[in-house]
Amino acid sequence: AQRVTQPEKLLSVFKGAPVELKCNYSYSGSPELFWYVQYSRQRLQLLLRHISRESIKGFTADLNKGETSFHLKKPFAQEEDSAMYYCALSRYNTDKLIFGTGTRLQVFP
Amino acid sequence: EADIYQTPRYLVIGTGKKITLECSQTMGHDKMYWYQQDPGMELHLIHYSYGVNSTEKGDLSSESTVSRIRTEHFPLTLESARPSHTSQYLCASTSNTEAFFGQGTRLTVV
Repeated sequence: AQRVTQPEKLLSVFKGAPVELKCNYSYSGSPELFWYVQYSRQRLQLLLRHISRESIKGFTADLNKGETSFHLKKPFAQEEDSAMYYCALSRYNTDKLIFGTGTRLQVFP
Repeated sequence: EADIYQTPRYLVIGTGKKITLECSQTMGHDKMYWYQQDPGMELHLIHYSYGVNSTEKGDLSSESTVSRIRTEHFPLTLESARPSHTSQYLCASTSNTEAFFGQGTRLTVV
C-alpha cells in the first residue's frame, strides 16, 4: 500500500539556518512525489513536484529511489517560510493523492 | 476565474441533523477529492472521484457519502451529524500535475 511518512511534527530553526524536512514513502511502483505548503490562514497549495526538478522559493527536493525519500531542503531559512509542509505521493497519472502527517516549520528571527 | 469553491466556510449544527457540504470547481478537472483534517494535523482522504458517476471511498472510513452527477460539483453529505464529525473538510480537484484545494469547511457538531 502507498504510504508517506514525515517523522518530524515540528521543526524549529533560526533565520538563515539550513532546513531539511524529511519525507519517506513506500510504494512498489514509480511514484510522483510532491510537497504542499499551507501558510497561516491560506489554502493548501503546491510547492514543488519531483518531475519538474525546480527550485521554488529557494526550496529543492530530490527523489532518492534507493532510500525511498523525498526530503525538502533550503540552505537559508526565512521567517516567511514558517508554515505547515506536507509531502504527498501519487501513482503516475492515476488516482489517489496520499499525504503525510505534515511538518510544522517555525523560523525564528 | 477558474477556482474551487467550498460552502459554507463555517457550520455549527446540532447532533442528528443532515448536512451537505458543497464543493464546486470551474477548472474542468475530472478528479476530485474530499479530505478530513483536524487543525495542523494530517489530511485523511475520505472520498475521491475520477469523473461523473464515479465515486470511491478513501483510506479513512467515513460515515459521509458523496455524489458526482456533474463534473464541476462534488457534494459531501452527512445524514446524521455527530460530535465525532467535528473537523475541517477540504475539497480538491486535480489536473495531472497539481491538486487545487478549496478553503475548507470547518464543521462543528454540538
